[in-house]
Amino acid sequence: NAGVTQTPKFQVLKTGQSMTLQCAQDMNHEYMSWYRQDPGMGLRLIHYSVGAGITDQGEVPNGYNVSRSTTEDFPLRLLSAAPSQTSVYFCASSPSPSRRRGGANVLTFGAGSRLTVL
Amino acid sequence: AQKITQTQPGMFVQEKEAVTLDCTYDTSDPSYGLFWYKQPSSGEMIFLIYQGSYDQQNATEGRYSLNFQKARKSANLVISASQLGDSAMYFCAILQRGSSNTGKLIFGQGTTLQVKP
Repeated sequence: NAGVTQTPKFQVLKTGQSMTLQCAQDMNHEYMSWYRQDPGMGLRLIHYSVGAGITDQGEVPNGYNVSRSTTEDFPLRLLSAAPSQTSVYFCASSPSPSRRRGGANVLTFGAGSRLTVL
Repeated sequence: AQKITQTQPGMFVQEKEAVTLDCTYDTSDPSYGLFWYKQPSSGEMIFLIYQGSYDQQNATEGRYSLNFQKARKSANLVISASQLGDSAMYFCAILQRGSSNTGKLIFGQGTTLQVKP
């Protein structure tokens, strides 16, 4: 059971380049999300999805794009990388929101992807 | 909008002693959940404990307990009998339920805990 798999683990980009961070989960979770972690800022929500074909913006969506064509995959695209996007990125998933009432909805996190934009 | 505040950037505790990590939150939603996660130096995010806003009792999970004071909007994490392996960053987070039930989890800034031998 792999859980949440993120690739790549490390990436260095030049300003203006584009790239995609991949995220896949094998737990049949409906909810998936992307966070970025910066020193002193905690984890900030970039985009999230409550199911295939449905995505929405989080706290810091600018400069990022997502799509959810399958339940398993939720890639994060950087359209034109900027130094301000240097960060550690986490993908996380959890079961359907409708099944969470009365109980904990625990996010399962990937191992993280460290991105440096020069 | 929801907000989570962790006012202690760093904390020290002596091994085997108890420590409390503070967390206050702000939400207008009557139904919500509060989580604590641990992030060791290796970087992974580890779920520790959960408290629902309508839960009558404070949550406990082994050496972790949550001091939930709803009227004060605080959800402090208490770690008893600290161990060296407890040295890590700790994050408090709030999950909005409400009518939209989108499942967004909002995190605080984190508290770094160092356990001294």
